[in-house]
Amino acid sequence: DVKVTQSSRYLVKRTGEKVFLECVQDMDHENMFWYRQDPGLGLRLIYFSYDVKMKEKGDIPEGYSVSREKKERFSLILESASTNQTSMYLCASSSGGEGTEAFFGQGTRLTVV
Amino acid sequence: QKEVEQNSGPLSVPEGAIASLNCTYSDRGSQSFFWYRQYSGKSPELIMSIYSNGDKEDGRFTAQLNKASQYVSLLIRDSQPSDSATYLCAVNTGGFKTIFGAGTRLFVKA
Repeated sequence: DVKVTQSSRYLVKRTGEKVFLECVQDMDHENMFWYRQDPGLGLRLIYFSYDVKMKEKGDIPEGYSVSREKKERFSLILESASTNQTSMYLCASSSGGEGTEAFFGQGTRLTVV
Repeated sequence: QKEVEQNSGPLSVPEGAIASLNCTYSDRGSQSFFWYRQYSGKSPELIMSIYSNGDKEDGRFTAQLNKASQYVSLLIRDSQPSDSATYLCAVNTGGFKTIFGAGTRLFVKA
């Protein structure tokens, strides 16, 4: 079974803090994604990566950055956390080419106070 | 703006009935379509994928795709209380980007 593991299930951070969300997948997938999920808005793509050290902006990259130094690990960084970044963050991975299904981690519920 | 639209529900059906979930999308060039199920407080899990026009069946689930009308649907036969969840429609519009709908909440009443 594909396993995508996010480092934290729940996280509470203060406004202005630098926040790291870590994601690891164990199936040698080329593609990794970070989404945020908010009620009524569905999943929105923040960033994705299709190879080590490669990254592409998604639909809502502002206020976020990412790092992919190893194939299995994809990190999301909130440079200076703000209250409007309170959300559920979901990491996903997929194999093969474009249009293949994604496998999700368990999610990180981030609250910024 | 490429969009995927779903009725937010809730859709309520009695146990044993057929639940019908619908999704429309705006990008005619879309080629890959997915249905994910998400239980409250959990992450989405893939239940069906469909790539060509017509029906695709897997157990109690049937996905239907009509590219000319730009809609994709999911039928759940013999609905069970354990099917109660939010169902997310997802459409790959090209490249590595997949757009998700906001989801339809389904309640199956025992």
